[in-house]
Amino acid sequence: QQQVKQSPQSLIVQKGGISIINCAYENTAFDYFPWYQQFPGKGPALLIAIRPDVSEKKEGRFTISFNKSAKQFSLHIMDSQPGDSATYFCAASSGGYNKLIFGAGTRLAVHP
Amino acid sequence: NAGVTQTPKFQVLKTGQSMTLQCAQDMNHEYMSWYRQDPGMGLRLIHYSVGAGITDQGEVPNGYNVSRSTTEDFPLRLLSAAPSQTSVYFCASRVPGQGQAFFGQGTRLTVV
Repeated sequence: QQQVKQSPQSLIVQKGGISIINCAYENTAFDYFPWYQQFPGKGPALLIAIRPDVSEKKEGRFTISFNKSAKQFSLHIMDSQPGDSATYFCAASSGGYNKLIFGAGTRLAVHP
Repeated sequence: NAGVTQTPKFQVLKTGQSMTLQCAQDMNHEYMSWYRQDPGMGLRLIHYSVGAGITDQGEVPNGYNVSRSTTEDFPLRLLSAAPSQTSVYFCASRVPGQGQAFFGQGTRLTVV
């Protein structure tokens, strides 16, 4: 049973477009929701994170939208660039950061 | 400052063999963890440690052992490798109280 469900599995976007990746969770105890970016052959790296006391967080072209009542959160990449082509993972944890639960990942390809 | 270093990068084992995946970090992080990454399943937590001498199980601990004798090192042992342990393994570290996990570049393990 996957505690964090991520969609879509893969995504193709044209350069300059908006990439949207969605995640849903069941455990209402989750209180930390990060997004990680992974390039081929590399380890994941933290991109942006949010806590449930805010509905949106923006860092440059990357925005997390959080809907606590729907138990959903999403990553929006504005003005997508070929360099954004990577695999993106959403994750969640509760009561500290010891046990991060990851989604299955979304492979994003941004075409020039 | 090398960050999180994993060795080896690639390994092929025969069923039943044992081996140790090495992980070292030079950031003086107290928290370290091991994940395995499988297609369509994201990253799953195997074991983690909140400090030297303290370890605990994650989501998928069976078949793996860990120990933490120093702050810097957190090796992962496979006592009797099975084909189901074919995966990419990632080690991560972080500062207590902070959510950002720093990942190594991974070890690709194939068990035949």
